[in-house]
Amino acid sequence: GESVGLHLPTLSVQEGDNSIINCAYSNSASDYFIWYKQESGKGPQFIIDIRSNMDKRQGQRVTVLLNKTVKHLSLQIAATQPGDSAVYFCAENLNFNKFYFGSGTKLNVKP
Amino acid sequence: DGGITQSPKYLFRKEGQNVTLSCEQNLNHDAMYWYRQDPGQGLRLIYYSQIVNDFQKGDIAEGYSVSREKKESFPLTVTSAQKNPTAFYLCASSNGGELFFGEGSRLTVL
Repeated sequence: GESVGLHLPTLSVQEGDNSIINCAYSNSASDYFIWYKQESGKGPQFIIDIRSNMDKRQGQRVTVLLNKTVKHLSLQIAATQPGDSAVYFCAENLNFNKFYFGSGTKLNVKP
Repeated sequence: DGGITQSPKYLFRKEGQNVTLSCEQNLNHDAMYWYRQDPGQGLRLIYYSQIVNDFQKGDIAEGYSVSREKKESFPLTVTSAQKNPTAFYLCASSNGGELFFGEGSRLTVL
């Protein structure tokens, strides 16, 4: 099956700092990628997505970067807030069929 | 409001019993999915369905069964053959893009 992994299982940042969460994916043919945020005991929530024909996409306070050469995906959160504390997952998809998820990174925002 | 509803939120089961988790969506999505999540781990695909009356096994289908008789419903049965069923179960739907998730069902085997 597919393999999507994250480099850092836990990331602690100070409130107001920028956060960067990284993800490596294994299938070079994957053409769609999503970042999800999951709070404890809840279902994942969509943050931002990017297709393989792009290398950067920006949302509100979030930016996703895609480096297809090294099969790497990152999520940047600007001015991190306590409400950003959660587990973040990246997911890869091929032909809008099955999505494969990484193991997640826990983001801890210190006040 | 449109969304995905999973029930029950918490479920306790004795060993040897089958249980069925409900998933209903009113988003008019064609595709529906079931994922399992264990503590500190990512989501693993159990089953998915891209159209009514059709479904495919995911990566960990053993011990589970599903049906897709209606577009809006995709129930998951955890059978007694599933050796380690205690987990958080997530249902999702999609219409060709992002996955929309329900709030999950936490199953505990006593």
